[in-house]
Amino acid sequence: SQTIHQWPATLVQPVGSPLSLECTVEGTSNPNLYWYRQAAGRGLQLLFYSVGIGQISSEVPQNLSASRPQDRQFILSSKKLLLSDSGFYLCAWMWGGTSSYEQYFGPGTRLTVT
Amino acid sequence: DAKTTQPPSMDCAEGRAANLPCNHSTISGNEYVYWYRQIHSQGPQYIIHGLKNNETNEMASLIITEDRKSSTLILPHATLRDTAVYYCIVRALINGGSQGNLIFGKGTKLSVKP
Repeated sequence: SQTIHQWPATLVQPVGSPLSLECTVEGTSNPNLYWYRQAAGRGLQLLFYSVGIGQISSEVPQNLSASRPQDRQFILSSKKLLLSDSGFYLCAWMWGGTSSYEQYFGPGTRLTVT
Repeated sequence: DAKTTQPPSMDCAEGRAANLPCNHSTISGNEYVYWYRQIHSQGPQYIIHGLKNNETNEMASLIITEDRKSSTLILPHATLRDTAVYYCIVRALINGGSQGNLIFGKGTKLSVKP
């Protein structure tokens, strides 16, 4: 079976500090991978998605970047955090090349920028 | 993609059926209806999807009207653990496949009460 991991579960970082959130998927090959953010009291916003190693599509230009160094690893980064980066960050995967939008989400990382 | 409209909140008694409506009057012929839910502080969970036929799985049933302009997600015997925000999403395949994002609206907050 497939499993998706995210860490850390919670994070408190000062403004201006760097960020690295990691997501890994087990039990599948060549998945599509996604980073979403959910600000407090708001809906989910897609940040990045990837259909393969080194292939990143950005949906919203901002202070964040993403990388996919391995097939089942997806990393979300920032060089300098802003207060507005606070939120619940969710990683998701989907079968690559599929004809369905069944996405499976990880447990999330709750980031507070102070 | 077609826009969806859902009531902001609903209540349901434990053990009764929960019927969650979704309006998608501008849906086009190649767009599917997807339902996800998000329990507080967790990532969204895929529930079910359909094109034009009614669908049922172990979690829920999806009833799509004949003109496809609306649908209803049915939880046959709601439990307290079904309390969550339920999202109705309409999405088409791109070039016969799926690769991109799901667009989450505000959804319906379902409260199951004892």
